[in-house]
Amino acid sequence: GESVGLHLPTLSVQEGDNSIINCAYSNSASDYFIWYKQESGKGPQFIIDIRSNMDKRQGQRVTVLLNKTVKHLSLQIAATQPGDSAVYFCAENIPPYSGGYQKVTFGTGTKLQVIP
Amino acid sequence: ETGVTQSPTHLIKTRGQQVTLRCSSQSGHNTVSWYQQALGQGPQFIFQYYREEENGRGNFPPRFSGLQFPNYSSELNVNALELDDSALYLCASSFIGSSNYGYTFGSGTRLTVV
Repeated sequence: GESVGLHLPTLSVQEGDNSIINCAYSNSASDYFIWYKQESGKGPQFIIDIRSNMDKRQGQRVTVLLNKTVKHLSLQIAATQPGDSAVYFCAENIPPYSGGYQKVTFGTGTKLQVIP
Repeated sequence: ETGVTQSPTHLIKTRGQQVTLRCSSQSGHNTVSWYQQALGQGPQFIFQYYREEENGRGNFPPRFSGLQFPNYSSELNVNALELDDSALYLCASSFIGSSNYGYTFGSGTRLTVV
C-alpha cells in the first residue's frame, strides 16, 4: 500500500544547531516529494521539493536528501531558529493517472521544538 | 498574486446536519484538492477537482461531495455530519500541466460537530 511515515514524532533542538527530520516512504512509484511546514492554526506551507531523479536539493537554510534505495527522505535545517518551530510533514506524489489526477500523501508529521 | 482563501475559519454544527465549506484557489491554478486533518495527524486526501469534475477520491464516503466552479473556486459539502467529522478541512490548489506538482494550501476551516 501507500504510506509515508516519520521516524520521530518530536524533535527538540537548541537554537543555532542544525535539525534533521527523517521520513520513510513505501511507494516506489512516487516520483516527487515535498516537505511542508505547518504552524499552529495555519495550513501547510511549502518548504522544498525534490524529484525522484535527484538525490539532493538545497534551498535557503534547508536541504532535502532522497535515498531511493532505502526509500528515505530527510530535511536538514541549518542554524535552526525559534521561527522554525512547527510541525513538519513529508509528502509523496504518485505520478498522475489519466485525466491529470494527482494525489499527494502526507505522513503524520514531526514536531520541531527550538530551545532558545 | 493572491493565495488560497477558505471560509469560514471556524464552524460548529450539530450531528446530522449538513455543511458547506468554501475555497478560492490561487490565481492561475486549475486544480483544487480537499484534505481532512484530524488533531495531531497529517492531512488525509478527500478528493480533487479538475475542469469542474472530480478526478480522484480518497477513502471517504459519498456524503462528502464537492464542486469546482469555472473560476476554479470550490466547495466541500458534507451531509449527515458525524462526531468524527470534527477536523480541520484544508483546501489546496495547484496547476496540472506544469512540472511543479506542489500545492498551495489555505489556512483551513475548523469544523466542530457536537
